[in-house]
Amino acid sequence: DTGVSQDPRHKITKRGQNVTFRCDPISEHNRLYWYRQTLGQGPEFLTYFQNEAQLEKSRLLSDRFSAERPKGSFSTLEIQRTEQGDSAMYLCASTDRENTQYFGPGTRLTVL
Amino acid sequence: QQQVKQSPQSLIVQKGGISIINCAYENTAFDYFPWYQQFPGKGPALLIAIRPDVSEKKEGRFTISFNKSAKQFSLHIMDSQPGDSATYFCAASKYSGAGSYQLTFGKGTKLSVIP
Repeated sequence: DTGVSQDPRHKITKRGQNVTFRCDPISEHNRLYWYRQTLGQGPEFLTYFQNEAQLEKSRLLSDRFSAERPKGSFSTLEIQRTEQGDSAMYLCASTDRENTQYFGPGTRLTVL
Repeated sequence: QQQVKQSPQSLIVQKGGISIINCAYENTAFDYFPWYQQFPGKGPALLIAIRPDVSEKKEGRFTISFNKSAKQFSLHIMDSQPGDSATYFCAASKYSGAGSYQLTFGKGTKLSVIP
């Protein structure tokens, strides 16, 4: 399967814990996005990478959130001191040359 | 302020019927309008997309109609099948600098196609 992959698919954590998610984009795509989707809503943009550079961040990305893409390939999204309001599906997308965004299956986070 | 408004929230259509989902946008800088299909527990999958230089695009049973002056676009699913039952999202994007074309999504339409 050469699509976007995300790991883990599900994460249950207690409030106050730190969590980290991983995204592996389609190999030839150098641009990568993170989105958050809450129940009954469309995905909302969080942040954007071109290669290893994080070039755009949403106001939704509080200082408890940090994202990296150290070698311009896979990316990680870390949430520190999780809160119940962080419970959501976290989606990663990578884009081809025509800016079509291909989404991964998402990581569903539940904060107890 | 919601930049992309989608309706209806839910839709029930009989097998073989036509499903129609509508979206309206505010920002005239948007220049790319995709529709995504999402099944439970899965990520959104691109269905069809259009740019504002054309008024209609058809791919198989799926058609996008685009009205630039009204700032509206819609998805038509012809001969709807039970396998089309999913949540559909319209989206819009514009260039926001540094190569970013972030998507702004509508709230989604849950489509149920009944036999």
